[in-house]
Amino acid sequence: AQSVTQLGSHVSVSEGALVLLRCNYSSSVPPYLFWYVQYPNQGLQLLLKYTSAATLVKGINGFEAEFKKSETSFHLTKPSAHMSDAAEYFCAVSTYTGGFKTIFGAGTRLFVKA
Amino acid sequence: SQTIHQWPATLVQPVGSPLSLECTVEGTSNPNLYWYRQAAGRGLQLLFYSVGIGQISSEVPQNLSASRPQDRQFILSSKKLLLSDSGFYLCAWSGRDRYNEQFFGPGTRLTVL
Repeated sequence: AQSVTQLGSHVSVSEGALVLLRCNYSSSVPPYLFWYVQYPNQGLQLLLKYTSAATLVKGINGFEAEFKKSETSFHLTKPSAHMSDAAEYFCAVSTYTGGFKTIFGAGTRLFVKA
Repeated sequence: SQTIHQWPATLVQPVGSPLSLECTVEGTSNPNLYWYRQAAGRGLQLLFYSVGIGQISSEVPQNLSASRPQDRQFILSSKKLLLSDSGFYLCAWSGRDRYNEQFFGPGTRLTVL
């Protein structure tokens, strides 16, 4: 069975600073990994996904993530935070053998200070 | 392109009243469909998923039920709401490829008083 752990339920950065949101996964078979963003009272929107092609994945709004098999990690980064990045971020994993379920992490709320 | 609709957007219901939330998907056929709940300050809890008409899998025992009367329609119901049913309900769909990338609706905010 697969699982996802997001380190830090809350992360606070200053505007213009590096954003780093951590995600570690557990899977006995090759995983597919996703980052979603959720703004208040809205649904989740896909930021980026890893589907076994390039290990460095670029997404929308300047975000990117790197799949590191040796570390079982898929951390989300953005070089310079913007106020509009304040939201909740979810890491998720699915596998070809996992049926039709995707496992979501508990989420990390990102605060951006002016 | 595909779109997913949920209604109502917000709902305030008394304890013990019934519930019906509807989700419809456009622009795709034979999707997998999902109902999730987010309690305040918490992550996503998968409630139900469906791989076809009339096929419902329940993840968490509770007083909610789900139905899929048509290929692209997914309904979440309750006969008698509890205070603990309050939360943000999200419907999602995924295609039949191996990645299971999920696409979410705008959500329904349910408050049970």
